[in-house]
Amino acid sequence: EDQVTQSPEALRLQEGESSSLNCSYTVSGLRGLFWYRQDPGKGPEFLFTLYSAGEEKEKERLKATLTKKESFLHITAPKPEDSATYLCAVNQNRNQFYFGTGTSLTVIP
Amino acid sequence: EAGVAQSPRYKIIEKRQSVAFWCNPISGHATLYWYQQILGQGPKLLIQFQNNGVVDDSQLPKDRFSAERLKGVDSTLKIQPAKLEDSAVYLCASSFRSNTEAFFGQGTRLTVV
Repeated sequence: EDQVTQSPEALRLQEGESSSLNCSYTVSGLRGLFWYRQDPGKGPEFLFTLYSAGEEKEKERLKATLTKKESFLHITAPKPEDSATYLCAVNQNRNQFYFGTGTSLTVIP
Repeated sequence: EAGVAQSPRYKIIEKRQSVAFWCNPISGHATLYWYQQILGQGPKLLIQFQNNGVVDDSQLPKDRFSAERLKGVDSTLKIQPAKLEDSAVYLCASSFRSNTEAFFGQGTRLTVV
């Protein structure tokens, strides 16, 4: 059965304390892995797409990496405005788009 | 570039009533998705359209939910009759192709009382 699992469920960091979020997946025929940020009361906002193992993407304090079984979202020196829920989603060979349950990140000043 | 538009933003209905949500995707996007997001969970795919054809509706409760995408552009999602467990945020998203990133609207928060 296709699955997407994110960990941890919640993460509290001090401002400037770097960490990583994990997204592990078991799908048949991965066609893309996507990271989103979701603020309360809003729709998910697109961050990154990764298509093949070894690929990396960066944007400001965020860096996403992909292996054959999981993806990491690295947050370097986070700021309070990085507080949000981070969702990963996978697109597999039947073109279905599955989301994980998300990691709720809180960055404390 | 205009984003994905959804309406209404909020809706409160009594159980057994019907409700409809509307979505206008980004211009030129062939793929349109409807998701249900229950508080504290990730979005769950209800239905996926490619132009005006259904690609996947395996998780759509077809006894009460229906969706259509007329002329491959706007889409409506209907619930009839609503149950208490349908209380959630309904998100519409669109993408240029089925394996590219999807862009989301603000969602419709439905409360069934």
